[in-house]
Amino acid sequence: SAVISQKPSRDICQRGTSLTIQCQVDSQVTMMFWYRQQPGQSLTLIATANQGSEATYESGFVIDKFPISRPNLTFSTLTVSNMSPEDSSIYLCSVEGHVGGELFFGEGSRLTVL
Amino acid sequence: EDQVTQSPEALRLQEGESSSLNCSYTVSGLRGLFWYRQDPGKGPEFLFTLYSAGEEKEKERLKATLTKKESFLHITAPKPEDSATYLCAVHVTSGTYKYIFGTGTRLKVLA
Repeated sequence: SAVISQKPSRDICQRGTSLTIQCQVDSQVTMMFWYRQQPGQSLTLIATANQGSEATYESGFVIDKFPISRPNLTFSTLTVSNMSPEDSSIYLCSVEGHVGGELFFGEGSRLTVL
Repeated sequence: EDQVTQSPEALRLQEGESSSLNCSYTVSGLRGLFWYRQDPGKGPEFLFTLYSAGEEKEKERLKATLTKKESFLHITAPKPEDSATYLCAVHVTSGTYKYIFGTGTRLKVLA
């Protein structure tokens, strides 16, 4: 299994500001996934980040709002830009396991936007 | 449209009272079905992968089974520490490389 570290674990932000979430994996992986989990909801995929190429965004998510970097095979960042209270959520980084396609997740970053 | 539905939304059990959680799915091509446990304030923790109908996996008090349309997570003689949200997810082959998650079952086991 992969060990995934996310920072920050939680933050309280002001409306209109931006926050960058970091994700570090203990092994090299091709794809990294960014999910959002709103209160009481399940996980929604924001984008898939491949090293060396542009991230692929899901319907309803755009690069200007959620820019992603993937500088190497063990690290990625997700920025939540121009935040509003509707962006209050848990943001999760995940990678695919090497054995059977299962996903492994970081502890999540809980954002509260005031 | 690919879809995953979990039931019940919430379940309260007495310690030792066995029960099952359901995950039904409608997908065009199934690569795998996964069960996760999520504790409050934490990321999901991987439990099981199932690939084909008839397959079963077990871990301690948990047993996952798979048919062509649904999966069950059986909890035998649960303990309070089994209290968590249990998520089901499918990995689909339809066009995009994608995992679809259900909304989860919130399980509370009372001592």
